[in-house]
Amino acid sequence: DIVMTQSPATLSVTPGDRVSLSCRASQSVSDYLHWYHQRSHESPRLLIKYTSQSISGIPSRFSGSGSGSDFTLSINSVEPEDVGVYYCQNGHSFPYTFGGGTKLEIK
Amino acid sequence: QVQLQQPGAELVKPGASVKMSCKASGYTFNSNWMHWVKQRPGQGLEWIGTIDPSDSYTSYNQKFKGKATLTVDTSSSTAYMQLSSLTSEDSAVYYCTRGGVLDYWGQGTTLTVSS
Repeated sequence: DIVMTQSPATLSVTPGDRVSLSCRASQSVSDYLHWYHQRSHESPRLLIKYTSQSISGIPSRFSGSGSGSDFTLSINSVEPEDVGVYYCQNGHSFPYTFGGGTKLEIK
Repeated sequence: QVQLQQPGAELVKPGASVKMSCKASGYTFNSNWMHWVKQRPGQGLEWIGTIDPSDSYTSYNQKFKGKATLTVDTSSSTAYMQLSSLTSEDSAVYYCTRGGVLDYWGQGTTLTVSS
């Protein structure tokens, strides 16, 4: 199985900051890397697909980059509603696997 | 609009089985795989398995083989997941979500296993 490792585990930021969240795969997933955001007591929501492709309805401050086994989700100018947990996901092969998540807190 | 409707909660006794539903609407049911994801309280997301509604082909996370069984009823555009021999470790929120990219998610069913 492909192991997904996210860092940091927790990030505490001020509104307006630019942040980068890291995701590393134990083997190449090509560009089949997707990002999700989950607020407390809500279902996860797709943020970015195939490493860097934007999703309709998702604010443009979210962007993704990377390739192979090393990926980054960037949030340009964090807003209070961005709190929650961010997950990366291997969409390359079954079993699909998720990273452990990065929890974003607002100071 | 695409919707995946799940019951909000299930309460089941240890040792019993439960069959959860996920009713799809707003798209062609056969055209997207349906996946199931487990989330224990305060924990991350765990992929259980997937089913192709067009031919009922399934793929499971090895961890859930023997525990979860995925089926579909194409006449009602509904996916099902049966969990057997339930223990407290199965208490969790279970989501259905569609696609290769998991672009739409149900609201989740909270399963409580308790006597």
